Amino acid sequence: DSGVTQTPKHLITATGQRVTLRCSPRSGDLSVYWYQQSLDQGLQFLIQYYNGEERAKGNILERFSAQQFPDLHSELNLSSLELGDSALYFCASSIESVRDEQFFGPGTRLTVL
Amino acid sequence: GQNIDQPTEMTATEGAIVQINCTYQTSGFNGLFWYQQHAGEAPTFLSYNVLDGLEEKGRFSSFLSRSKGYSYLLLKELQMKDSASYLCAVRDRRQNFVFGPGTRLSVLP
Repeated sequence: DSGVTQTPKHLITATGQRVTLRCSPRSGDLSVYWYQQSLDQGLQFLIQYYNGEERAKGNILERFSAQQFPDLHSELNLSSLELGDSALYFCASSIESVRDEQFFGPGTRLTVL
Repeated sequence: GQNIDQPTEMTATEGAIVQINCTYQTSGFNGLFWYQQHAGEAPTFLSYNVLDGLEEKGRFSSFLSRSKGYSYLLLKELQMKDSASYLCAVRDRRQNFVFGPGTRLSVLP
């Protein structure tokens, strides 16, 4: 158990819908990262927040958005869902030290039908 | 473009040593990471290199040569539980993480 929690564990929805994935970082970690992992694309970095501010932005689609709240939990919003958005979405957290060791949550499996 | 290459699959015998190579071409360099991911599970951090040289951590070591855009992960005294995918990732100058496709390692008895 990494100490990072993600909800829900599984999510099944239809094309065109909108969903919200939630992540609670490890106690004391200020940085949150979101990743998407699909069979054909591998692990893709989406976005990073540090203490409420956006720190880095990767391959995140415009239909996707994220935020980190004052209590440091984070949400990833996915809208106008397409079949290709079906994937495992991981959240990770770190203290934001030089080594930047990231601890991954168990992931949310999203299926778009 | 940004690119990270790793062998797709490797096989080794229990108790042996295996070296997993990673070559990268990225927009700047702010560190290289190795992660282990067992099937159906989340990645777990193994190592971090930002300067050239070898970092050792128990049975695992990671090497970096920035001038060559090259790293390797060395696993010693292989155990069955080391069967997993190993992901190489580079943080570029915009602080984005670029991941390789992963190397699936099978450890045979």
